[in-house]
Amino acid sequence: DAGVTQSPTHLIKTRGQQVTLRCSPISGHKSVSWYQQVLGQGPQFIFQYYEKEERGRGNFPDRFSARQFPNYSSELNVNALLLGDSALYLCASSLGLAGVISYEQYFGPGTRLTVT
Amino acid sequence: GESVGLHLPTLSVQEGDNSIINCAYSNSASDYFIWYKQESGKGPQFIIDIRSNMDKRQGQRVTVLLNKTVKHLSLQIAATQPGDSAVYFCAENTDDYKLSFGAGTTVTVRA
Repeated sequence: DAGVTQSPTHLIKTRGQQVTLRCSPISGHKSVSWYQQVLGQGPQFIFQYYEKEERGRGNFPDRFSARQFPNYSSELNVNALLLGDSALYLCASSLGLAGVISYEQYFGPGTRLTVT
Repeated sequence: GESVGLHLPTLSVQEGDNSIINCAYSNSASDYFIWYKQESGKGPQFIIDIRSNMDKRQGQRVTVLLNKTVKHLSLQIAATQPGDSAVYFCAENTDDYKLSFGAGTTVTVRA
């Protein structure tokens, strides 16, 4: 079975530009979460989507937005990129059973974003 | 801010020995904890989880212990192998929708 897939693998952008990252969850999983991992730190929660609705948002500015599609795939958008947005962006999927969405989250390989 | 942290940022262990990785958490309402392993250039890989109504859970070569009295979590790896070299994160469920991660412990296995 395919795991969580993310695209692209690597991305280089210039300050002020916009970026879109994509994620496909494990088949059958209805919940997708996005995390930012800066080098040397643990992942930080950005968003969670369940059944195409935003269920949670972390401490990130409005430049960060996301959405989930009917096939449960998801996109993360970041506008007006800053140097500090350089990080590994991780997508995680989970079944979303019993209303507890965060249990048993499985991560993709991430997208490495470099802002110059 | 983060409510999950690790006692030591690095751990060096001899191949074949047992490893113990520790984690302290501050949110007494957390009801679910996960250990992840992250190798260089990869996303976190699920190792084992434990719910707050349990004290111990065993997997293949790994054991997680939860002490709710002192809000402490540990991961024990038996007969550590070179492939166990990675960064290990503990994470806790702080809300129904998100996990909070600590900074991680880098485990290096010496041959």
